[in-house]
Amino acid sequence: RKEVEQDPGPFNVPEGATVAFNCTYSNSASQSFFWYRQDCRKEPKLLMSVYSSGNEDGRFTAQLNRASQYISLLIRDSKLSDSATYLCVVNGAAGNKLTFGGGTRVLVKP
Amino acid sequence: NAGVTQTPKFQVLKTGQSMTLQCAQDMNHEYMSWYRQDPGMGLRLIHYSVGAGITDQGEVPNGYNVSRSTTEDFPLRLLSAAPSQTSVYFCASSYGLPNTGELFFGEGSRLTVL
Repeated sequence: RKEVEQDPGPFNVPEGATVAFNCTYSNSASQSFFWYRQDCRKEPKLLMSVYSSGNEDGRFTAQLNRASQYISLLIRDSKLSDSATYLCVVNGAAGNKLTFGGGTRVLVKP
Repeated sequence: NAGVTQTPKFQVLKTGQSMTLQCAQDMNHEYMSWYRQDPGMGLRLIHYSVGAGITDQGEVPNGYNVSRSTTEDFPLRLLSAAPSQTSVYFCASSYGLPNTGELFFGEGSRLTVL
């Protein structure tokens, strides 16, 4: 089993719609969680950290479920510019290594 | 505002050749790392460093060497290139350990080994 697993997609989303997807992790000792965004043939960039109580950044909402060991990302009112691959990133207890999921591709269409 | 700079951006090697991917950051970050990204595999950690003079192995270190003689530079050496090392390589840095803040990536180096 991979340490961090994501549905590769693609999720085809009409412009203005809401899309949500999850990421599961296997290490119950994981302490830090992030979502990174990667545009085609570009480098990953931090989208948001994921906090235990859940957090929101504009149209983006991240949730953490420690009991079931998954994190989620919800995008509201999708824009064409939201088309990208979203990488789930999990850090173990040591803090010095991040583990990346394979990414979920989102395509927002007019 | 340079951030993390990787060179070269593209490289083609023959099997058995050696080369060095350069990485430099101007943000005074203590933590630096190298990842490779392959289709369907996500980013995998090759080596990392928590400060000058300190390096450690990541998930896939075989066939690669690193050194950290200065805070700014973290070169990745391919000792004897193999087709399995065809990949996109990303250098990344952060101020502290990556679990505490943002990891900043370079633009990537696309390597093809024939």
